[in-house]
Amino acid sequence: QVELVESGGDVVQPGGSLRLSCAAAGFTFSNHAMHWVRQAPGKGLEWVAILFHDGSNTYYADSVKGRFTISRDNSKNTVYLQMNSLRAEDTAMYYCVRDRYKNPPPYYFDFWGQGTLVTVSS
Amino acid sequence: DIQMTQSPSSLSASVGDRVTITCRASQNINAFLNWYQQKPGKAPKLLIYSASILQGGVPSRFGGSGSGTDFTLTISTLQPEDFATYYCQQSDSIPVTFGGGTKVEVK
Repeated sequence: QVELVESGGDVVQPGGSLRLSCAAAGFTFSNHAMHWVRQAPGKGLEWVAILFHDGSNTYYADSVKGRFTISRDNSKNTVYLQMNSLRAEDTAMYYCVRDRYKNPPPYYFDFWGQGTLVTVSS
Repeated sequence: DIQMTQSPSSLSASVGDRVTITCRASQNINAFLNWYQQKPGKAPKLLIYSASILQGGVPSRFGGSGSGTDFTLTISTLQPEDFATYYCQQSDSIPVTFGGGTKVEVK
């Protein structure tokens, strides 16, 4: 069955960097766009970034543009989120999410990982 | 950006009740609307996509309707496992945006 396992979450100081990883299994990874979605403690869902199936296109939320980079290695069935210049407001659970399609739109989040927690605090 | 407005933000209901949650988009999104369920400490789960199509494995007591800017999620007969938070999401364009959520609580 489909499995998405995130890792890399940690406590980091403001201005610091972190790289999240998401290992995928149970499906043909290269056939799907992948997203990161985050959720601050006690808050709603916020979409962060998308990377198309072949890495040809990336898009970001304005709140992370220029600071975060999404990438993937289809040979390792893994998607990454490099986070730089971290701020307190980036504190959240970060979910790796599979898109139903290779090249959306539409954007359907059909499988979610369990998340990895990023805390930005001094 | 397309703004998604859900109402109510919370509701209290009993097992067996019919529950309706609404979601309004700030512009026409045709039927590009999805619904998710999230339980405490868990990742969200896709319930309905394209406004009215049930994701595989989702019980038939869940239903979705609407198009354009106004959408509805209905739970026909609330079950104990349905107490959770529900989010709508527009799948039409980037940035993908979610509604603020509706928490369904025990009355």
